[in-house]
Amino acid sequence: AQTVTQSQPEMSVQEAETVTLSCTYDTSENNYYLFWYKQPPSRQMILVIRQEAYKQQNATENRFSVNFQKAAKSFSLKISDSQLGDTAMYFCAFIRYNNNDMRFGAGTRLTVKP
Amino acid sequence: DAGVTQSPTHLIKTRGQQVTLRCSPKSGHDTVSWYQQALGQGPQFIFQYYEEEERQRGNFPDRFSGHQFPNYSSELNVNALLLGDSALYLCASSYRDRYNEQFFGPGTRLTVL
Repeated sequence: AQTVTQSQPEMSVQEAETVTLSCTYDTSENNYYLFWYKQPPSRQMILVIRQEAYKQQNATENRFSVNFQKAAKSFSLKISDSQLGDTAMYFCAFIRYNNNDMRFGAGTRLTVKP
Repeated sequence: DAGVTQSPTHLIKTRGQQVTLRCSPKSGHDTVSWYQQALGQGPQFIFQYYEEEERQRGNFPDRFSGHQFPNYSSELNVNALLLGDSALYLCASSYRDRYNEQFFGPGTRLTVL
């Protein structure tokens, strides 16, 4: 079974600083996708970044980047130059190739302080 | 370009009742997935509809059922409501086999008293 673990229930960071959110996952599959989603108080899940497992290069999207360690089954999210609008729940998620059952971690609540 | 929409926004029901939640996919999408997000947890996959049929199902009892209409919109039905069914229900849409490109709606908050 595929499981996703986020070990940091809550984190905080000062505006303009950098923060890293952790995620580990467990799978016997070799082909899969990993995601970070942001869920602000409005509740809508917004895709932050996506990583395909066969790609060794870490994905980046503007201020957001990941550190994907396939052998360690680790997928952390780094947010640079944190902004107040980054305050939200962040969920790490996993989906196997050709499967529709996306598995989510329990989330990390990130607060960006002015 | 309209995104994924869901209705209603909030809903309060009592134990034993039945509820229907609705989802309209993003323009151009033909596949709808439903997730249950209990308080303080990540979403859990309920099922996915494509071509008006349930294509895949997660670990949810038969009390949870769904439907997809020819215009690709979808309904989630829950019968014999339990207190534990209280949650945020999220709908996500995608195009055909692009399971790695799901767009989520704002959800329906269901409270069962």
